[in-house]
Amino acid sequence: ETGVTQTPRHLVMGMTNKKSLKCEQHLGHNAMYWYKQSAKKPLELMFVYNFKEQTENNSVPSRFSPECPNSSHLFLHLHTLQPEDSALYLCASSQVGLDSYNEQFFGPGTRLTVL
Amino acid sequence: AQKVTQAQTEISVVEKEDVTLDCVYETRDTTYYLFWYKQPPSGELVFLIRRNSFDEQNEISGRYSWNFQKSTSSFNFTITASQVVDSAVYFCALSASGYSTLTFGKGTMLLVSP
Repeated sequence: ETGVTQTPRHLVMGMTNKKSLKCEQHLGHNAMYWYKQSAKKPLELMFVYNFKEQTENNSVPSRFSPECPNSSHLFLHLHTLQPEDSALYLCASSQVGLDSYNEQFFGPGTRLTVL
Repeated sequence: AQKVTQAQTEISVVEKEDVTLDCVYETRDTTYYLFWYKQPPSGELVFLIRRNSFDEQNEISGRYSWNFQKSTSSFNFTITASQVVDSAVYFCALSASGYSTLTFGKGTMLLVSP
């Protein structure tokens, strides 16, 4: 595997289900990100992890729970979602630091539908 | 605060036409980085280019070219002789330093018809 991978690619869930999105980066980066992209809306940054520590949480509802067990893996745990949470969820990684440019590399995304 | 504006929401061209996607940015930082990403219908954002604020040289890569002008805070992207495969949403983004997150524009949807 190369780059950033995400599983599953498609997910349909009911409002009472619990599911998890997985992201893995094979680039040796030290930062990982979750973005939400809804139809007709701009990219929304949800969470940022630098060196496995969460450094940003952009007022995301608690029904979204991130987990970063190491610098290569990132999860997004979902529970009791709402239909308006249906969106494309993108994971990205980058190398942050004084000498880096922080260009982010994205995975293919998980297209989530909440019924 | 940083801001990236892509005023063109959607552009439609016919194959082989040249097209320019506009990007205007705002930042108080003296050192910053600008990016362009392509998002085809499959959904994945593909990194196209990074430009440092201290390097105003324009860049050309095949049919793609980028015009960076600090005087007007613009970083425009031109596709020459567009092709159907260029149809995608294009995002411009800004990063102030190696530690900051990216600020994305709202994207420009480019539709190239045969």
